[in-house]
Amino acid sequence: GDSVTQMEGPVTLSEEAFLTINCTYTATGYPSLFWYVQYPGEGLQLLLKATKADDKGSNKGFEATYRKETTSFHLEKGSVQVSDSAVYFCALKRGDKLIFGTGTRLQVFP
Amino acid sequence: EAGVVQSPRYKIIEKKQPVAFWCNPISGHNTLYWYLQNLGQGPELLIRYENEEAVDDSQLPKDRFSAERLKGVDSTLKIQPAELGDSAVYLCASSSGPITGELFFGEGSRLTVL
Repeated sequence: GDSVTQMEGPVTLSEEAFLTINCTYTATGYPSLFWYVQYPGEGLQLLLKATKADDKGSNKGFEATYRKETTSFHLEKGSVQVSDSAVYFCALKRGDKLIFGTGTRLQVFP
Repeated sequence: EAGVVQSPRYKIIEKKQPVAFWCNPISGHNTLYWYLQNLGQGPELLIRYENEEAVDDSQLPKDRFSAERLKGVDSTLKIQPAELGDSAVYLCASSSGPITGELFFGEGSRLTVL
């Protein structure tokens, strides 16, 4: 069945460091792909998405490119801030529902 | 505009007791989801509603879980009786339709079963 695999956390970085959170998926066809973020004490919120191969989603300095060759959708940011500390979830859309990865916790220290 | 509202935020009960969670979606959102999030895991779909109709409840453990959305607006998820393994966060989400893919989540209801 469809699934999403994320790198395990926590990812610990200093402020202004470069961030990569790996995400790969297993699915038939080309599902839409998403990154959701969960800040402490808040609900999940959509960070960015890509609906077809080679699309790049971007928001708040974060980017992810839909790579069908490697079935990946890695999340990147050039310079993280303390306020980016959160749990990040990669997800794919199959039919009318989202299938999530296990989440990766990011901790950014000043 | 108000977001998805869930209550209670926290609930502690003893095993075999019943518990209910309530969700009010964003106004105008016809699609409502209940997800289960175990500690250290991603959310897993329990049930999806289109208006008042449950269109996907294949992952809902029907022996002890039930849900309703009688008027196609707010929804209630019930567990009776609760078991220790039900300790988790129950998330509600809504969307304006199944096509857009953007789900708006509430803050969740954290259940602890003792």
